Amino acid sequence: SAVISQKPSRDICQRGTSLTIQCQVDSQVTMMFWYRQQPGQSLTLIATANQGSEATYESGFVIDKFPISRPNLTFSTLTVSNMSPEDSSIYLCSVFQSDRGTKETQYFGPGTRLLVL
Amino acid sequence: GQSLEQPSEVTAVEGAIVQINCTYQTSGFYGLSWYQQHDGGAPTFLSYNALDGLEETGRFSSFLSRSDSYGYLLLQELQMKDSASYFCAVTGGDSSYKLIFGSGTRLLVRP
Repeated sequence: SAVISQKPSRDICQRGTSLTIQCQVDSQVTMMFWYRQQPGQSLTLIATANQGSEATYESGFVIDKFPISRPNLTFSTLTVSNMSPEDSSIYLCSVFQSDRGTKETQYFGPGTRLLVL
Repeated sequence: GQSLEQPSEVTAVEGAIVQINCTYQTSGFYGLSWYQQHDGGAPTFLSYNALDGLEETGRFSSFLSRSDSYGYLLLQELQMKDSASYFCAVTGGDSSYKLIFGSGTRLLVRP
């Protein structure tokens, strides 16, 4: 399985500022995703990070608030812009791997724990 | 809309067997996955079903019935370390491979 790292692992930020989260994978992957998990809640997909083109955002998430870059097949960034306390969450990147089409699996990075004051 | 239903909390004793159910209503369906998440940790992949039937991986098994839009995760020989949240997730049928997660089931294993 792919090994995924995220930076930073956690941060405390002031409202109105922006934070960029990095996701690095140890192998080339086609599909990369960004999820948000608010305290005590389930995971919600923010967007699909597309290599070489604009990310595909889910309903309720917009590029101005969550700009995403995907310069190559092993790296992506998510920026949380103009933060407010409601953005306090865990942000997770994930990658999709297929085992001969029989086992469709997503693997998650360790997450970035963000607290906005 | 799209929704996945699973119990919010389950309690069981060490050594027992527990079943966590998941019913789904989605616009497309490709497969059902199960993830485990310990407090403070990231979700880790447990099991995946694309076809009807039972998939067994050690102490964990997962079942799917596509006609009933239903699946379950079966945990046998429960251990204290199995205390965690368990999420079912559907891969939609639009070739995007994105996951739609259920609300999660918190499993507490007691001695």
